[in-house]
Amino acid sequence: AQKITQTQPGMFVQEKEAVTLDCTYDTSDPSYGLFWYKQPSSGEMIFLIYQGSYDQQNATEGRYSLNFQKARKSANLVISASQLGDSAMYFCAMREGPNSGNTPLVFGKGTRLSVIA
Amino acid sequence: EAQVTQNPRYLITVTGKKLTVTCSQNMNHEYMSWYRQDPGLGLRQIYYSMNVEVTDKGDVPEGYKVSRKEKRNFPLILESPSPNQTSLYFCASCRAGLLTWSYNEQFFGPGTRLTVL
Repeated sequence: AQKITQTQPGMFVQEKEAVTLDCTYDTSDPSYGLFWYKQPSSGEMIFLIYQGSYDQQNATEGRYSLNFQKARKSANLVISASQLGDSAMYFCAMREGPNSGNTPLVFGKGTRLSVIA
Repeated sequence: EAQVTQNPRYLITVTGKKLTVTCSQNMNHEYMSWYRQDPGLGLRQIYYSMNVEVTDKGDVPEGYKVSRKEKRNFPLILESPSPNQTSLYFCASCRAGLLTWSYNEQFFGPGTRLTVL
């Protein structure tokens, strides 16, 4: 079974509107971390936001927020006030286990977001 | 500037000709890893390393080798490249966190686009 599922291969959003990119995950480990990365056409991977499984509040970073619904195992990324520069591929990722860097980061297949002027 | 560097950024080679893609980080991170990115498959981990002289297989290790003789460097070696190894490769590093997940953000290199003819 896939550990990270992104069901939207592509999405369009009007400039200045908000958009939600879906991500569901599968784990039986009570400790895990969820990450979102942005990959523009230039190819580099840019870290956006992180949510820990024990965090009480949803993570926010500027225009990015993570709608974390633990019981539903979903970690949707919300981008508010979309900008043309937000057009990119977005990846959801998860690392399982206790607080260490020794477990692999598992990625979803990505969602391509296109912002329309 | 904290960064992960990869070289070369672009490489076209022929089947069977050994090649090495270098990866270096200047953040004193313990954990380093290699990913390949293919259309429709997202990022898949090839190998990872928890620290010097400690390496482990990821999801798709076949046809690759790595070494970790120094903390800052984690080269990816293709002893006998084949066309199915044509891909975009990313190196990443992060701290092996002891306290909280939020310190375990992975820093990605700029990517190496490899074509094997």
